[in-house]
Formats: sequence, C-alpha cells, structure tokens
Amino acid sequence: GAGVSQSPSNKVTEKGKDVELRCDPISGHTALYWYRQSLGQGLEFLIYFQGNSAPDKSGLPSDRFSAERTGGSVSTLTIQRTQQEDSAVYLCASSPSVDGNTIYFGEGSWLTVV
Amino acid sequence: SQQGEEDPQALSIQEGENATMNCSYKTSINNLQWYRQNSGRGLVHLILIRSNEREKHSGRLRVTLDTSKKSSSLLITASRAADTASYFCATGGNAGGTSYGKLTFGQGTILTVHP
Repeated sequence: GAGVSQSPSNKVTEKGKDVELRCDPISGHTALYWYRQSLGQGLEFLIYFQGNSAPDKSGLPSDRFSAERTGGSVSTLTIQRTQQEDSAVYLCASSPSVDGNTIYFGEGSWLTVV
Repeated sequence: SQQGEEDPQALSIQEGENATMNCSYKTSINNLQWYRQNSGRGLVHLILIRSNEREKHSGRLRVTLDTSKKSSSLLITASRAADTASYFCATGGNAGGTSYGKLTFGQGTILTVHP
C-alpha cells in the first residue's frame, strides 16, 4: 500500500491474554519504529529496526514486550500477559533511510485491556 | 521522559487568526520536526528543520528554530477549522551523533479553531 498499515486498528483484550500487533511499512523502507501513546506518558519510543535487526530496543517497558521483523518488511509487536497499564495506542512508523529524517506513521492500533 | 515541552497545552482561536505553538528541548539535536495528529490516531509529518537552519516555510506553516535557546515555534497563518488537531514537536538525534529517527516527542498542543 501507499502508507504504513497497521492491524488491528482496535483491540480489546482481557487482562492476562497475549496480543499481537502488526505493522506493514511502506515498501522499500529499511527502518521501522514502534511508538506507544498513552494518556499518562505521551508518545514514547519503544523499538527501532534496521532491516531485520533491532539495534535499539531500549524503550520496551518490560520483558512482556517483544517485537520482530521478518524479510525486512512486516513487523509484529507482541505483548504477553497484558496488563491494564498496557492500554494505549501503538504506532508504527517507517523511513526510507537510516537517518530517519522523514518518518511516516501508521494510523495506530488502539489496545484496551479490560 | 519527554525532552520536548510545548506551550500552550491548549489553544483556542477563531478561523482566520494565526496560531503559534512553542516547543523547548533540553539536549543538542540534529533536527526538530513538527507533527499533527487528528483524533488521537496517526501522526502526519508537517515540517523538519535542521539544526543549522533558523526558519522554514511550508504553505501556511512557518517554523523557527533557536538552538541557543533550545526552542522552536510553529506558526499556522490564516487558520481554518480543519487545522483543529494536536500538534507535537519531536527532536531526533544528537549533533555529531548518529541519528536514526528515534524521536523524542513533546506533550503536544491541542489546537481548536472555531468556524
């Protein structure tokens, strides 16, 4: 597609369940980023991929959070044993170059943990 | 923690007026970017200004950067109701360091333009 595509757009899950959020970046973009936006914390960086490797995963809040990227394209963010504080919008972004000067965001996945 | 701090937190104006939002940051930067977000969903990139630039224009947008004061401003001229959104500044990288698009966002300004 023309833009960064994320799915699901909305997800309601029960506390303790695992969730997977998917990101399909713009074709050809080598860099991919996950951010989280929540009421209390604003926009936070989670993890950065260059190709399939993640040189910076410093923003992942706990070991319940993991992400992978395959084929230099699609990425999946997995949250295990979800907690209510995980409720947020999870935004994926991609950029065509390593310096990331122009970053394109998807519409986000709105996660609600009940 | 958020590096950028924006003010005002909320701005309410009438259509046709100009809107000015300010952003301050703490560390050295390679560039500063402004984004717009409608209804809490995807962010749209508006403009990027590099650390060696002082002013940049794009349509009705004017961005200034003062690295000595570690501050930036976004001016939207002749505002329209459709400009109603949240606006965020974001800083990327450190001068002399490697910038890979890891952005640090401000808390944002909620702009409401009344028709």
